[in-house]
Amino acid sequence: AQTVTQSQPEMSVQEAETVTLSCTYDTSENNYYLFWYKQPPSRQMILVIRQEAYKQQNATENRFSVNFQKAAKSFSLKISDSQLGDTAMYFCAFMKRVSNSGYALNFGKGTSLLVTP
Amino acid sequence: EAGVAQSPRYKIIEKRQSVAFWCNPISGHATLYWYQQILGQGPKLLIQFQNNGVVDDSQLPKDRFSAERLKGVDSTLKIQPAKLEDSAVYLCASSPGGAWGGAKNIQYFGAGTRLSVL
Repeated sequence: AQTVTQSQPEMSVQEAETVTLSCTYDTSENNYYLFWYKQPPSRQMILVIRQEAYKQQNATENRFSVNFQKAAKSFSLKISDSQLGDTAMYFCAFMKRVSNSGYALNFGKGTSLLVTP
Repeated sequence: EAGVAQSPRYKIIEKRQSVAFWCNPISGHATLYWYQQILGQGPKLLIQFQNNGVVDDSQLPKDRFSAERLKGVDSTLKIQPAKLEDSAVYLCASSPGGAWGGAKNIQYFGAGTRLSVL
C-alpha cells in the first residue's frame, strides 16, 4: 500500500514570509499524481496544486510551488508571500490508477499552518 | 458552477442508532467518492462510484456501512448501527472521471458532515 508521510504536524509563519511544507511518499508505481489540498476551518478540501509524476518540471500556481524529487519520493509545498487566509490544514495526497475508472487517493495526516500578522 | 453539496452539516446520534448522509456531486461528474476523516487524520476513502456502479469499496465496513448512487447522480451513505468510533467528518467528492490524464481525475470536495456518536 502507498503511504504518505507529513512529518510536520504544525508550522507557523509570519505574513509575507515564505514557508515550506514537507511530504514524502512510498510507492513502487511509476505513473501517478501528487496533490496538495488545503482544508480551512470550514472543512472543505480545496485543491492547491497538482503534479504529474512523469513531468520533471515542478508545478506552480501563483504563490504556491512544489519541489518534486521523484527519486527521493519527496513532494514539498512552498508558499511564498504568506497571507492570513493561508491559515489551514494542508494535506499531501498520492493518487494512482487502480482500474479503468478508479483512482485511489491516499492522504497524509496533514500539517496545520498558522499565518500570523 | 455549483460545487459538491452535502447535508446535513452536523449530526449527533447515540450509539446503535442509524444515520444517513446525502451528497449531490457537481453536475456531469461521473465519479463520486465518500471519505471518512477522523479527527487529526487525513481523509480515508470508503467507497468510489463510477456513474451508478461501485468501483472500489474495499475499505467500507460493510457490516454497518452502506452506500448507493441511484441513477448515477445523488448518493447516500448510511451507518446502521453506529458505533462510537464512527465519530468523524464524512466528506463527499466528485470528479469528471473517465480518463487518467488532464483534469479528469481532480477531485472536488463538499464541506462534509460532522458526525458525533455519543
